[in-house]
Amino acid sequence: QQQVKQSPQSLIVQKGGISIINCAYENTAFDYFPWYQQFPGKGPALLIAIRPDVSEKKEGRFTISFNKSAKQFSLHIMDSQPGDSATYFCAASKQGGSEKLVFGKGTKLTVNP
Amino acid sequence: GAVVSQHPSWVICKSGTSVKIECRSLDFQATTMFWYRQFPKQSLMLMATSNEGSKATYEQGVEKDKFLINHASLTLSTLTVTSAHPEDSSFYICTFAGGTSGGSYNEQFFGPGTRLTVL
Repeated sequence: QQQVKQSPQSLIVQKGGISIINCAYENTAFDYFPWYQQFPGKGPALLIAIRPDVSEKKEGRFTISFNKSAKQFSLHIMDSQPGDSATYFCAASKQGGSEKLVFGKGTKLTVNP
Repeated sequence: GAVVSQHPSWVICKSGTSVKIECRSLDFQATTMFWYRQFPKQSLMLMATSNEGSKATYEQGVEKDKFLINHASLTLSTLTVTSAHPEDSSFYICTFAGGTSGGSYNEQFFGPGTRLTVL
């Protein structure tokens, strides 16, 4: 049973556009929702994270929107750049992130120049 | 964020041999570390949770006698793949949960990963 569902599987965006990646979770005990960015051959890098007590968190061009009632959260990348081309993973964890992460299947983002 | 290192970054070995991968937290003492495995073009799957000074907890389907985990100190955890086979070829990544200054939750910082290729 997949606990975190991520979509789309791949995404192509023009430079300057907005990239949107969506995730849905099932376990209401999750209380920590991070997004990771991974380049080929590298480990995932924490991009931004949110807890369910807020509905939105913004860091630079990256924004997480969180809908607790719908059990959904999304990543928005504003003014997408070719350097943003990578695979993005959403994840969820309990105990504020101190427990294991359950990952979505990933979204391969391509930003065309 | 916290810094995690892994060694080696890549390794090629013959089938039947054992390989040890080290994971170190450079600026944080971690009582709990996690080991993940990632096959090409797939997501990360948790293999085991490593607790300092005690036995690791393995996820269902992960052979504890094949993947030996030792968390000998608060800054070092090792994963040994014993009698490696080609199907063990994968990207192995460690992480730990660390408190951030002023933060309200534990962020998990990943190591750079180790690419294992078993011939």
